[in-house]
Amino acid sequence: GAVVSQHPSWVICKSGTSVKIECRSLDFQATTMFWYRQFPKQSLMLMATSNEGSKATYEQGVEKDKFLINHASLTLSTLTVTSAHPEDSSFYICSAKLTPDSNQPQHFGDGTRLSIL
Amino acid sequence: AQSVSQHNHHVILSEAASLELGCNYSYGGTVNLFWYVQYPGQHLQLLLKYFSGDPLVKGIKGFEAEFIKSKFSFNLRKPSVQWSDTAEYFCAVNANSGAGSYQLTFGKGTKLSVIP
Repeated sequence: GAVVSQHPSWVICKSGTSVKIECRSLDFQATTMFWYRQFPKQSLMLMATSNEGSKATYEQGVEKDKFLINHASLTLSTLTVTSAHPEDSSFYICSAKLTPDSNQPQHFGDGTRLSIL
Repeated sequence: AQSVSQHNHHVILSEAASLELGCNYSYGGTVNLFWYVQYPGQHLQLLLKYFSGDPLVKGIKGFEAEFIKSKFSFNLRKPSVQWSDTAEYFCAVNANSGAGSYQLTFGKGTKLSVIP
């Protein structure tokens, strides 16, 4: 159980386009989802926390207008990288929790490799 | 803000060797501690976690970790590694961010290569 599906797994696009990444909890309802970014040889960095039905909470230094997060239902959160540029190329990973309770582990998607040309 | 430090970037061991991966965190309050594993081509999976109680935690696949509060450490151990343990291992700390969402802070990860 507790499967998180992330789509697409790899996307290559031209500079200036917008890219949407989906994160779905397949067999549970996730009140809280997290979006992380990982640069090569670096740790996962939390970008934002989204709670279903409310605005996402962004970490310091993460541009809200650049990385649009929507958590419209208990099973789906989306991250849209708007007007993507080569420096946005990275590995993006989402995770989901059943409740915000700290005793609940996070379940991770497979990640999306984004390459901007 | 909390931070997590993993001392080794890449560890290479022969099968049957013992493993210990270091993890130190900095946070003054109560924390929950996790080790995640990412096998090649797969997503992050929870290996084990510590919330409270016995500081020696046993996880899946023969892994264990010991929480030493005085040292702010949560080292991962396995007495005898197998080739199938080749993966990247991430230590993570979960502390109350104040927003109630208990965000995870990850270390940079340690790549483990086990030679048959």
